[in-house]
Amino acid sequence: DGGITQSPKYLFRKEGQNVTLSCEQNLNHDAMYWYRQDPGQGLRLIYYSQIVNDFQKGDIAEGYSVSREKKESFPLTVTSAQKNPTAFYLCASRRSGTANTGELFFGEGSRLTVL
Amino acid sequence: AQSVTQLGSHVSVSEGALVLLRCNYSSSVPPYLFWYVQYPNQGLQLLLKYTTGATLVKGINGFEAEFKKSETSFHLTKPSAHMSDAAEYFCAVSDRGGSGGGADGLTFGKGTHLIIQP
Repeated sequence: DGGITQSPKYLFRKEGQNVTLSCEQNLNHDAMYWYRQDPGQGLRLIYYSQIVNDFQKGDIAEGYSVSREKKESFPLTVTSAQKNPTAFYLCASRRSGTANTGELFFGEGSRLTVL
Repeated sequence: AQSVTQLGSHVSVSEGALVLLRCNYSSSVPPYLFWYVQYPNQGLQLLLKYTTGATLVKGINGFEAEFKKSETSFHLTKPSAHMSDAAEYFCAVSDRGGSGGGADGLTFGKGTHLIIQP
């Protein structure tokens, strides 16, 4: 079955360390997204990519970086510059062209805790 | 710019009672509208969506929602709540033209936590 796989599910980080969250999809979707979720704040967009080798900052990109070298993969790095990284991170993808009805398909999420 | 307002961060209903979760949106063009459900430590799962056609949309798990353009609303309902419905629910909007919420992404409400009382 096609879907989005995020790993790891749980991750602990010491202050000052960079960590990378993996997101892989086999849905053949062009667009991919990273959201951050905090209690009571809904989902906030970190970065998005509409095609390979191109990505754009979302609303809260500071302290994060991404790459899009392959259509299937959109890893997110949480850098030491992110002052409050403890959160639940969600990766999503979307169909393109005439098949696009705006729906996002989500992975199972990665929970990052800074010790 | 689009926005989504979900009235009530927490809603509590008794098992077997009607579930009503409210969602109002703002959009300069006719939108696509969505409801997602999230269980603890999991991703978001699509409950239902409105794109075109019939304004009453049926989804999974017995949920339905009605698009009311005049009220800019897309409230989610279920006639009889079940304990398994306890979760976080998110309303979201997408600009049909593709210019909303981060280049064709979705704009989400802040979510409503549904509590089911036994």
